[in-house]
Amino acid sequence: DAGVTQSPTHLIKTRGQHVTLRCSPISGHKSVSWYQQVLGQGPQFIFQYYEKEERGRGNFPDRFSARQFPNYSSELNVNALLLGDSALYLCASSLELANYGYTFGSGTRLTVV
Amino acid sequence: GQSLEQPSEVTAVEGAIVQINCTYQTSGFYGLSWYQQHDGGAPTFLSYNALDGLEETGRFSSFLSRSDSYGYLLLQELQMKDSASYFCAVRDQEGGGFKTIFGAGTRLFVKA
Repeated sequence: DAGVTQSPTHLIKTRGQHVTLRCSPISGHKSVSWYQQVLGQGPQFIFQYYEKEERGRGNFPDRFSARQFPNYSSELNVNALLLGDSALYLCASSLELANYGYTFGSGTRLTVV
Repeated sequence: GQSLEQPSEVTAVEGAIVQINCTYQTSGFYGLSWYQQHDGGAPTFLSYNALDGLEETGRFSSFLSRSDSYGYLLLQELQMKDSASYFCAVRDQEGGGFKTIFGAGTRLFVKA
């Protein structure tokens, strides 16, 4: 079975640009969460989606948005990129909203120059 | 809000036992998880405690005391491959959803 897949694996963008990151959860998993991880720090919670609805939001500006599709895949969008948005963006899936053990994808390494 | 504290680094020798502590502060506590992350890799789930007590999974055990807002991860029979970062994470219920908030991580160095 495929795990959580994220695309692209690496991305370089210029300040002010927009970026879309994609995530496909494990087959059958209905919940997807997004995290931002800066080198040397723990993952920071951005969003959780379940059954296409936002069910949790972290302390990130409105430049960050996400959605979940009927097939449970998800997109994270970041507008007006800043240098500080450079990080590893991780997607995690779980079977149900209440499940506590997440399976993480390998992440998208975003560099903003 | 939520906050978690764990040591930044721990060093131990192969074959030894190491304990990584975590204290947390949260309003809607639902459980404490532990994740392992090797350099360049994704976090992998190790264990979860919702109730007080010890959970054992092979060489790894995790403990929770909700009254003390404290937990720890115990790694026994340390192996070189256990060198990694370990994160405690609080599962917090807010509104109709959940947040899993991670600590800053403890970097474990296992020496021969």
